Amino acid sequence: AQTVTQSQPEMSVQEAETVTLSCTYDTSESDYYLFWYKQPPSRQMILVIRQEAYKQQNATENRFSVNFQKAAKSFSLKISDSQLGDAAMYFCAYRRAQGAQKLVFGQGTRLTINP
Amino acid sequence: DAGVIQSPRHEVTEMGQEVTLRCKPISGHNSLFWYRQTMMRGLELLIYFNNNVPIDDSGMPEDRFSAKMPNASFSTLKIQPSEPRDSAVYFCASSLNRRAQETQYFGPGTRLLVL
Repeated sequence: AQTVTQSQPEMSVQEAETVTLSCTYDTSESDYYLFWYKQPPSRQMILVIRQEAYKQQNATENRFSVNFQKAAKSFSLKISDSQLGDAAMYFCAYRRAQGAQKLVFGQGTRLTINP
Repeated sequence: DAGVIQSPRHEVTEMGQEVTLRCKPISGHNSLFWYRQTMMRGLELLIYFNNNVPIDDSGMPEDRFSAKMPNASFSTLKIQPSEPRDSAVYFCASSLNRRAQETQYFGPGTRLLVL
C-alpha cells in the first residue's frame, strides 16, 4: 500500500522569506501523481500544485514550486516570498495514475507566517 | 464556474439519529469521492464513484454508513444510526477520470458533531 509521510508537524517562517515543506512517499508504481493541498482555517481544501511522475521538470505555480526527486521518493514544496495568507495546514497527497483513483494523504504540516 | 457544493455545512445531532450529507459535483466531472477528516486518522477515503457506479467502498467504516449516487449531479452519504465517534469533517470531491485532468476538487466540507 502506498504511504505518504510529512515529517514536519509544524513550521514557521518570517513574512517575505522562503520556506520548504517536506514530503516523502512509498510506492512500487512508476506512474503516479503528487499534489500539495492547502487547508486554511476555513477547512476548505485548495489545490496548490500538482506533479506528474513521468515529467522530470519540477512544477511551479507563481510563488510555489516543488522539488521532485523520483528516485528518492521525495516531493518538497517551496514557498517563496511568504505572505500572511499562506498560513494554513499543507497536505501532500499521492494518487496512482492507473487503477485506484483515491488520494493518499500525509499527516499535514501546519505553517505559521510571522509578520 | 460553481465548485463542488456540499450541504449542510454544519450538522449537530444526537447519537442514534440518521444523518444525510449531500454533494453536487462539478458539472461534467465523472468521478466523485467522499473523504473523512479526523484528528486521529487524518484524511481518508470512504468511497468513490465513477460514472455513478461505486468503485471502491473499502474505506466505509461499517454497515452504518452508506453512499449513493443516483445521477451524475448528486450524491449522498448516510449514517444510520450515528455515533459520537462519527464526529468529523466530511469532504466530497470530484474530478474527471481522464489523463492530465484527474485533479480532485474539494467541496467546503460538512462538519458533523454527534452528541
